[in-house]
Amino acid sequence: NAGVTQTPKFRVLKTGQSMTLLCAQDMNHEYMYWYRQDPGMGLRLIHYSVGEGTTAKGEVPDGYNVSRLKKQNFLLGLESAAPSQTSVYFCASTLAGVAYEQYFGPGTRLTVT
Amino acid sequence: GENVEQHPSTLSVQEGDSAVIKCTYSDSASNYFPWYKQELGKRPQLIIDIRSNVGEKKDQRIAVTLNKTAKHFSLHITETQPEDSAVYFCAANSGGSNYKLTFGKGTLLTVNP
Repeated sequence: NAGVTQTPKFRVLKTGQSMTLLCAQDMNHEYMYWYRQDPGMGLRLIHYSVGEGTTAKGEVPDGYNVSRLKKQNFLLGLESAAPSQTSVYFCASTLAGVAYEQYFGPGTRLTVT
Repeated sequence: GENVEQHPSTLSVQEGDSAVIKCTYSDSASNYFPWYKQELGKRPQLIIDIRSNVGEKKDQRIAVTLNKTAKHFSLHITETQPEDSAVYFCAANSGGSNYKLTFGKGTLLTVNP
């Protein structure tokens, strides 16, 4: 049982390049999330999904897109990376039902130059 | 939407002392309040949570108190140890949602030996 995993762990992009971050969970969780963490800013929700095939915007969605084609995977895309997207990105997942613990992945450190 | 304020942003204590971190929230519909601990370079992990139907919850050296009238909740760590050094985040579920959390900006706790 691997829990929540993220790929890649580190990445350096040039401004304007694109990339996709992959999140996978093996806990059969319905809900999945993408957060970004910046110094002094806490964890801010980018997008989330309450089930396969559904996604919704969070607090800071601009410049990102997501897809949830399979229940266990949640992809975060950057179409044209900007230096402001330099951050640590965390994926999380949780059970459906009452508000519950969110399980986080190990994070992806992204630098955009 | 929900707004969660967390104080202090940094806290330094001597080993064996107590530490208290406070959070306030804005949405009276919120009913789930988790606390996460994030060690340097690691993922956030849940350490304790409380629901609105109780005023206090304890787990060994950690306790959380909730005052729904005043819309604030606090984390109390007693007999602090160096391994308690980490960033602590409070959160509240937005609008009573069972799937969306709003996080505070975090408190860096340093326990000095």
